[in-house]
Amino acid sequence: SAVISQKPSRDICQRGTSLTIQCQVDSQVTMMFWYRQQPGQSLTLIATANQGSEATYESGFVIDKFPISRPNLTFSTLTVSNMSPEDSSIYLCSSLIRDRGNYEQFFGPGTRLTVL
Amino acid sequence: LAKTTQPISMDSYEGQEVNITCSHNNIATNDYITWYQQFPSQGPRFIIQGYKTKVTNEVASLFIPADRKSSTLSLPRVSLSDTAVYYCLVGAPHNQGGKLIFGQGTELSVKP
Repeated sequence: SAVISQKPSRDICQRGTSLTIQCQVDSQVTMMFWYRQQPGQSLTLIATANQGSEATYESGFVIDKFPISRPNLTFSTLTVSNMSPEDSSIYLCSSLIRDRGNYEQFFGPGTRLTVL
Repeated sequence: LAKTTQPISMDSYEGQEVNITCSHNNIATNDYITWYQQFPSQGPRFIIQGYKTKVTNEVASLFIPADRKSSTLSLPRVSLSDTAVYYCLVGAPHNQGGKLIFGQGTELSVKP
């Protein structure tokens, strides 16, 4: 299993500013992922962050808006740049681990972002 | 990645067995079926995963028919604390970079 923590847990930001969200895993993992979940909605995958290579973004998400770092096997950051109210959402990171024969994704508690 | 269809919501009462069915008609040979549970203000949590037939663990059972075009998550004797959103996902995490594509999920409400 894995324990994943995120910082900050929540923040309120002004339009046009940027926020960097940190994700820490308690073990070394190859694959990490960033998701967005808007109120009352399902999760949407933003990008895959693998150590040693550039992040892979899903359709509708671009590096200039959501730059991602993956400096080592236990840590990643997601920056939400030039924020607008539409970026208000919960941002979650996760990692894929094989646990007891299953391929499981373990999720962090999320970062609740409000943009004014 | 196979598209999934599941009921948007379900209601149940404490002590009942709840079965949530998910359709995945275009499931591929290498795909697994995985269910996650999400409580408000928390990240999703793995419940169970299977490839075929039946899988049971300490919290749920997963029934998969021979054609694998659907699956049923069974929660025995639910309690109020089982109120959550349940997501059915189909994919081959070990082959596709671990990506999970979430559908709308089923919002289960357990009443006293």
